[in-house]
Amino acid sequence: SAVISQKPSRDICQRGTSLTIQCQVDSQVTMMFWYRQQPGQSLTLIATANQGSEATYESGFVIDKFPISRPNLTFSTLTVSNLSPEDSSIYLCSVETSGVTDTQYFGPGTRLTVL
Amino acid sequence: AQSVTQPDIHITVSEGASLELRCNYSYGATPYLFWYVQSPGQGLQLLLKYFSGDTLVQGIKGFEAEFKRSQSSFNLRKPSVHWSDAAEYFCAGGSGNTGKLIFGQGTTLQVKP
Repeated sequence: SAVISQKPSRDICQRGTSLTIQCQVDSQVTMMFWYRQQPGQSLTLIATANQGSEATYESGFVIDKFPISRPNLTFSTLTVSNLSPEDSSIYLCSVETSGVTDTQYFGPGTRLTVL
Repeated sequence: AQSVTQPDIHITVSEGASLELRCNYSYGATPYLFWYVQSPGQGLQLLLKYFSGDTLVQGIKGFEAEFKRSQSSFNLRKPSVHWSDAAEYFCAGGSGNTGKLIFGQGTTLQVKP
């Protein structure tokens, strides 16, 4: 498995601002993903972060609201833009390690509260 | 459409009792199946996974799961629950070519002393 860290672990933001979440992995990985977990809900995939190209977004999620960067094989950022209270959620990154197909390991998550 | 369903939203068991958490899937072909556990304020930890082969899968922390194709199920079991097992449990399925996981709604496990 991989060791995954996320920063910040939690944040409280004002409406209309943005938050950028960082995800760092201790080894090179082929695939990185970003999920949202709304209060009391399950996980929903936001997008796949592709190294060297634009992220692939799931239905209902758009790049303007959730811009993603992946500059190398160990790091990615998710920005949640123009925040509203409905964006209050836990945001988790996950990775699929090379040679272990379709097994995803998750970071500790970032708890976002929007006032 | 592909889906993963956990019929039980909340389950309470006594410490030392056996546990079974249900998971049903709907996929065109046999999916890859996973169980994750999420403790309060934590990320998800992988308990076990099924890709193919032996239908009884052993995981960490004394958990096991059985894949039953005829019932489209992948239920999680533990013979004796400990108070530290209280957490949220998620079943997830993957199709093997996109990396995308579909999660069930989750089951909250409460353990009574």
